[in-house]
Amino acid sequence: NAGVTQTPKFQVLKTGQSMTLQCAQDMNHNSMYWYRQDPGMGLRLIYYSASEGTTDKGEVPNGYNVSRLNKREFSLRLESAAPSQTSVYFCAVTGSNQPQHFGDGTRLSIL
Amino acid sequence: EDKVVQSPLSLVVHEGDTVTLNCSYEVTNFRSLLWYKQEKKAPTFLFMLTSSGIEKKSGRLSSILDKKELFSILNITATQTGDSAIYLCAADTTSGTYKYIFGTGTRLKVLA
Repeated sequence: NAGVTQTPKFQVLKTGQSMTLQCAQDMNHNSMYWYRQDPGMGLRLIYYSASEGTTDKGEVPNGYNVSRLNKREFSLRLESAAPSQTSVYFCAVTGSNQPQHFGDGTRLSIL
Repeated sequence: EDKVVQSPLSLVVHEGDTVTLNCSYEVTNFRSLLWYKQEKKAPTFLFMLTSSGIEKKSGRLSSILDKKELFSILNITATQTGDSAIYLCAADTTSGTYKYIFGTGTRLKVLA
């Protein structure tokens, strides 16, 4: 999906392991977001960054941390993965008066 | 609490049918209502609606917003199997940060 690149695409972890999901954009937008999508739950906001240097909690931030490394990159870290964090994770970006544009997602399974 | 509710949750139709998907919202600081189509991967943008009563169209798809009754509809005419997807609506509750509240989606399956 041109514009927003997420890595990895798939990952399997054991309970207690840590990992970082990466998101990079070449759309020069200020705002970046991390969502999780679970069956029957829609997209729920984990964290967002309105601009470089700022981050804020969304609806479901517990168990996650984020870093806005620069304007292009916004990473999501799971410090101690739990089975409840098994989900599909999407990164999105937006600029002023623009719709959010999504990456292709990371499918994460925690055993 | 902000919320967006979509109905129906799922829908099965035959090619050529017309479908109407519903989205109601209760949010503070409402800015706009968005529709996305999600097939296997990323949600892809369809429409952004800001003003009441103005229909937006793209081919066989159209959408309209009612800000008085707090709902939007997405119409798809002459459905095709390629329309099979999850359709998501989201309310932009911006307070300068363009935060969206998503509904759970409507899963549409179009049979040949």
